[in-house]
Amino acid sequence: EAQVTQNPRYLITVTGKKLTVTCSQNMNHEYMSWYRQDPGLGLRQIYYSMNVEVTDKGDVPEGYKVSRKEKRNFPLILESPSPNQTSLYFCASSFGGRNEKLFFGSGTQLSVL
Amino acid sequence: ELKVEQNPLFLSMQEGKNYTIYCNYSTTSDRLYWYRQDPGKSLESLFVLLSNGAVKQEGRLMASLDTKARLSTLHITAAVHDLSATYFCAVDIDRVGGTSYGKLTFGQGTILTVHP
Repeated sequence: EAQVTQNPRYLITVTGKKLTVTCSQNMNHEYMSWYRQDPGLGLRQIYYSMNVEVTDKGDVPEGYKVSRKEKRNFPLILESPSPNQTSLYFCASSFGGRNEKLFFGSGTQLSVL
Repeated sequence: ELKVEQNPLFLSMQEGKNYTIYCNYSTTSDRLYWYRQDPGKSLESLFVLLSNGAVKQEGRLMASLDTKARLSTLHITAAVHDLSATYFCAVDIDRVGGTSYGKLTFGQGTILTVHP
């Protein structure tokens, strides 16, 4: 089944403890991206990647890192999480190109205490 | 900085009625997308609009794009309860120095509730 898989679905952590949220897609998509969703703010793009080893900042990249070493994986790294990074995170992928729709993962609810 | 604004943010409709959700954006773009999110779920792509005057329809939903007015509309015809969800528009803009894609900016979302 074609899908974007995020793990974990739920994560509670403490300030400063490094964490990684994984994202994997099995559709051979070139484009992958990360978003955070906060009430009243819609989704805000954190980072995106056009292809392997190519990443670029979205609107809210501060406090996050990403890497794209393989086509199928695009992990989101929080080196030193803070409470303002408590949010619902979504990974998405597509074949790229203007008319390609995004496929979203199920989301990761992160709470930083 | 690109701003994308939707209105209304909350919409309560009766079944059978028609209504329109508006999506305004602040910078030139000819790439606009509509997504649906059911409560507690992920997002699902609805429409991709790529040129001025583009119109797409699926079931009771019809989306259009006016790039000159920087406006997209999502029209709901004869609403049914199953359409209750949050609807997002998203705009993709060119990067400085050339054409590109991928830097998506979303609107705040419109929470639609359809009542019997």
